[in-house]
Amino acid sequence: AQSVTQPDIHITVSEGASLELRCNYSYGATPYLFWYVQSPGQGLQLLLKYFSGDTLVQGIKGFEAEFKRSQSSFNLRKPSVHWSDAAEYFCAVGAWASAGTALIFGKGTTLSVSS
Amino acid sequence: EAGVTQFPSHSVIEKGQTVTLRCDPISGHDNLYWYRRVMGKEIKFLLHFVKESKQDESGMPNNRFLAERTGGTYSTLKVQPAELEDSGVYFCASSQGIRDLGSEAFFGQGTRLTVV
Repeated sequence: AQSVTQPDIHITVSEGASLELRCNYSYGATPYLFWYVQSPGQGLQLLLKYFSGDTLVQGIKGFEAEFKRSQSSFNLRKPSVHWSDAAEYFCAVGAWASAGTALIFGKGTTLSVSS
Repeated sequence: EAGVTQFPSHSVIEKGQTVTLRCDPISGHDNLYWYRRVMGKEIKFLLHFVKESKQDESGMPNNRFLAERTGGTYSTLKVQPAELEDSGVYFCASSQGIRDLGSEAFFGQGTRLTVV
């Protein structure tokens, strides 16, 4: 079955510390991978996406993610977390090269930032 | 440029009542999606419009849910009659083009529906 697993429901990181949010997927076709962020009262905002090429992708707000096919993972990283990064983060997978694709989401990871 | 807009932002209704959610996609976006997040669960796909046609409605939970997209512009999602388990946040998203490879899906802020 197609699925996305985010094993960490809630993570707390000190401001200035590094961050890694884990994402594993199970998908039959070539995956098209995303990370979204939702801040309180806001919609989902795309941080970055991967569909081909360099397996290390850069996104907005200083985030990056690395696609590892052998591990079926697409972990999100940031070298130095800011208090404004506190939000809920969602990993998602879609069908690559599909004419209109429904995304499959993980359950989300809530990030808290301590001072 | 306006983003994806959803109305209302919150709705509280009684079990058995009808509620209609509206989504205005980004102008020119052919693809429109509805998703739902029930508390504590993942965001789940409900259906996908390409212009005014339903491309995929495999995620619609049952026949109490009816989605329309008039003239390929805005979309409505009606729940009739609402049940307690329909409570959650309903997201709308839109993206460009029929073949959306590489095309980002833009999400609205969601409608929080509470059925009491």
